[in-house]
Amino acid sequence: SAVISQKPSRDICQRGTSLTIQCQVDSQVTMMFWYRQQPGQSLTLIATANQGSEATYESGFVIDKFPISRPNLTFSTLTVSNMSPEDSSIYLCSAPGTSGEQYFGPGTRLTVT
Amino acid sequence: EDKVVQSPLSLVVHEGDTVTLNCSYEVTNFRSLLWYKQEKKAPTFLFMLTSSGIEKKSGRLSSILDKKELSSILNITATQTGDSAIYLCAVVITSGTYKYIFGTGTRLKVLA
Repeated sequence: SAVISQKPSRDICQRGTSLTIQCQVDSQVTMMFWYRQQPGQSLTLIATANQGSEATYESGFVIDKFPISRPNLTFSTLTVSNMSPEDSSIYLCSAPGTSGEQYFGPGTRLTVT
Repeated sequence: EDKVVQSPLSLVVHEGDTVTLNCSYEVTNFRSLLWYKQEKKAPTFLFMLTSSGIEKKSGRLSSILDKKELSSILNITATQTGDSAIYLCAVVITSGTYKYIFGTGTRLKVLA
């Protein structure tokens, strides 16, 4: 199984600012995923980060708002830009295991005031 | 549109009870079904099911997939307060690459 670390674990940010979340995997993986989980909701996929190519964004999410970097096979960042209170969520990164199951990082709880 | 639905949405039981959580799906290019337990922030992987009728078991938890009925169940026997969590079901589909579709989850509360 993959071991994934994520930071920060939580943050409180002002409206209009940006926050970058880092995700580190203990093994090389081709794909990494970024999810958002709003209060009381299930997980919503923001984008898939592939090393060496642009991230693939899901409907409703755009690169200007959620730029993603994937500089190597063990690391990715997600930036939440120009934040508003509606961006208050848990943000999770994940990576697939060898059989297609997914493992998650510990998550970042973001509160925007 | 690919869809995963879980029921019930929430459940309150007493310690020692047995619970059955349901997950049904309508997707194209089904590959596998995953169960997760989410207590605080990060979902913890429980089971991966790919073949119909084969039960996966871990302690008091077990799960089985029915591809004909497009569904899966997660059973928890002799529940404990530590089983209180949100249980998420996700279906993996292949469309060039893997894609994971999550259900809304079942919130389980076990009372002492």
